[in-house]
Amino acid sequence: AQSVAQPEDQVNVAEGNPLTVKCTYSVSGNPYLFWYVQYPNRGLQFLLKYITGDNLVKGSYGFEAEFNKSQTSFHLKKPSALVSDSALYFCAVRDMRAGNNRKLIWGLGTSLGVNP
Amino acid sequence: NAGVTQTPKFRILKIGQSMTLQCTQDMNHNYMYWYRQDPGMGLKLIYYSVGAGITDKGEVPNGYNVSRSTTEDFPLRLELAAPSQTSVYFCASSLADQETQYFGPGTRLLVL
Repeated sequence: AQSVAQPEDQVNVAEGNPLTVKCTYSVSGNPYLFWYVQYPNRGLQFLLKYITGDNLVKGSYGFEAEFNKSQTSFHLKKPSALVSDSALYFCAVRDMRAGNNRKLIWGLGTSLGVNP
Repeated sequence: NAGVTQTPKFRILKIGQSMTLQCTQDMNHNYMYWYRQDPGMGLKLIYYSVGAGITDKGEVPNGYNVSRSTTEDFPLRLELAAPSQTSVYFCASSLADQETQYFGPGTRLLVL
């Protein structure tokens, strides 16, 4: 089955500390993976994506994500969290099933809180 | 560029009323999508379109209709509003299927 899991509903970190938001996936074939962020009362904004190439992907606002094929994971990371990073983060993977490959499968989101 | 715009921002409907949620993009994207977001449920795809005149159902199409007469516009129609359609609706667009999706600011709909 094609799926995306974000195992943590909520992650809290102190400002200045590193942060990790976890994402695991299950798809057939090579995955296209995405991270989006949603600030309160706003639409989703693209952070970064992995399609092919280097397993470490750098994105907007200092975020990066590491694609790990053996662990089927695509965790989002940032070396030093800011209070302004507090938001809802969504992981998504392209649905690789025949006839469905124009769609994304979305995780349920992880709420990140960064404490001053 | 304005990107993806949605109107209205907020609407209250009575059960059985109808309305159209408007979505316009100015990026000349071929692909457009409608999602609904319910608390704790993530995003659910309602309908999508791969170009003018072509639409297809997503995961939760019941109770909704769409049309795509131009590249820019992708309106979502609710014919008989029901309380279960209370949600936040997002429109998105992308240049191609594997490309980044760009989202509008959303429409918050309350059906009473």
